[in-house]
Amino acid sequence: DVKVTQSSRYLVKRTGEKVFLECVQDMDHENMFWYRQDPGLGLRLIYFSYDVKMKEKGDIPEGYSVSREKKERFSLILESASTNQTSMYLCASNSPRTGYTDTQYFGPGTRLTVL
Amino acid sequence: KQEVTQIPAALSVPEGENLVLNCSFTDSAIYNLQWFRQDPGKGLTSLLLIQSSQREQTSGRLNASLDKSSGRSTLYIAASQPGDSATYLCAVINNDYKLSFGAGTTVTVRA
Repeated sequence: DVKVTQSSRYLVKRTGEKVFLECVQDMDHENMFWYRQDPGLGLRLIYFSYDVKMKEKGDIPEGYSVSREKKERFSLILESASTNQTSMYLCASNSPRTGYTDTQYFGPGTRLTVL
Repeated sequence: KQEVTQIPAALSVPEGENLVLNCSFTDSAIYNLQWFRQDPGKGLTSLLLIQSSQREQTSGRLNASLDKSSGRSTLYIAASQPGDSATYLCAVINNDYKLSFGAGTTVTVRA
């Protein structure tokens, strides 16, 4: 089975802190994605990556950056956390080898609270 | 920009009743449409994926239909059970290969 893991289930940080959210997948997938999920808004794409060291902005990249140094790991970075970044963050992966029409596999999510 | 809408936002039914969840999208140029299930505080689990050339997909008690030209999909869950209580999310893959999600329908099945 595909497994996508995220480093923390719950995280509490203070305004202005630098925050790292880590995501690891074990299926050798090329594509990895970061979303945030807020009530009434659904999932919104923050950043995605098609390969190591490659990244592209999603719909809401402001205030975030990403890093993909290894194929299996995709990190989301909040350079200076703000209260409006309190949210559920979900990581996903899939492979273009099965076509872009294949489903994305999701991690369990990290609920981040910024005080 | 693709917009995906799910109606209703919440649904409560007695056990045994059939569930009907609706999804609509504004741009019909999609590659596929997927239905996901999300349990409270958890990630998403894929339920059904319908390719743009298909009209429906079935898995056990679940059946999803797709009318691409009118921008609609419906998820039917037959003979609902308390274990079906969850949030159901509809998502489409657009021409740019990105997923666009609806806000979800939260289902409660009463025993």
